[in-house]
Amino acid sequence: GQQVMQIPQYQHVQEGEDFTTYCNSSTTLSNIQWYKQRPGGHPVFLIQLVKSGEVKKQKRLTFQFGEAKKNSSLHITATQTTDVGTYFCVRSGTNAGKSTFGDGTTLTVKP
Amino acid sequence: DADVTQTPRNRITKTGKRIMLECSQTKGHDRMYWYRQDPGLGLRLIYYSFDVKDINKGEISDGYSVSRQAQAKFSLSLESAIPNQTALYFCATGTYNEQFFGPGTRLTVL
Repeated sequence: GQQVMQIPQYQHVQEGEDFTTYCNSSTTLSNIQWYKQRPGGHPVFLIQLVKSGEVKKQKRLTFQFGEAKKNSSLHITATQTTDVGTYFCVRSGTNAGKSTFGDGTTLTVKP
Repeated sequence: DADVTQTPRNRITKTGKRIMLECSQTKGHDRMYWYRQDPGLGLRLIYYSFDVKDINKGEISDGYSVSRQAQAKFSLSLESAIPNQTALYFCATGTYNEQFFGPGTRLTVL
């Protein structure tokens, strides 16, 4: 099936350090969505990227969509303990019916 | 979000039992989804529905069935539960651009 690969699987950082997770697809993506799941919680939508080369920012979070629309990244500047959780990239099917989640990157932040 | 509720929140059952997980949403969306999550993995799509008369298989539908009783209700059934169906199950609703998830049901099959 059409998969999205996420790296790294785990990332441990000291509070204040930056963090980046990468999402890669072998096929062109119509769009990419990012979700965050806190420990013990449910996924929560962060953002959707649609355009080639798109960059969007939400406070300390920067999301990028590659020029070829085959990869995406999420960068967090100066991590805080509230950033702890698992970040998933999600590709939508042609009609958004068959959304495919990456396996996620789990971020832990040491105070 | 409280807009998507799932019952039960936790369930322990035995192999061979029939189990139904229920989901209700008040967001008014037509699309509803059932996912399962295993430790260390992302969510995998079991079934999805675009409206009351529409049911579609997802990535891992074997061993599961669904019923869309109304726009706001989408239930997932395990006709004969087996241990490898032990997982965290999420219901979601939403649009093409965004999904809203329920709190999850933790199911253990002994």
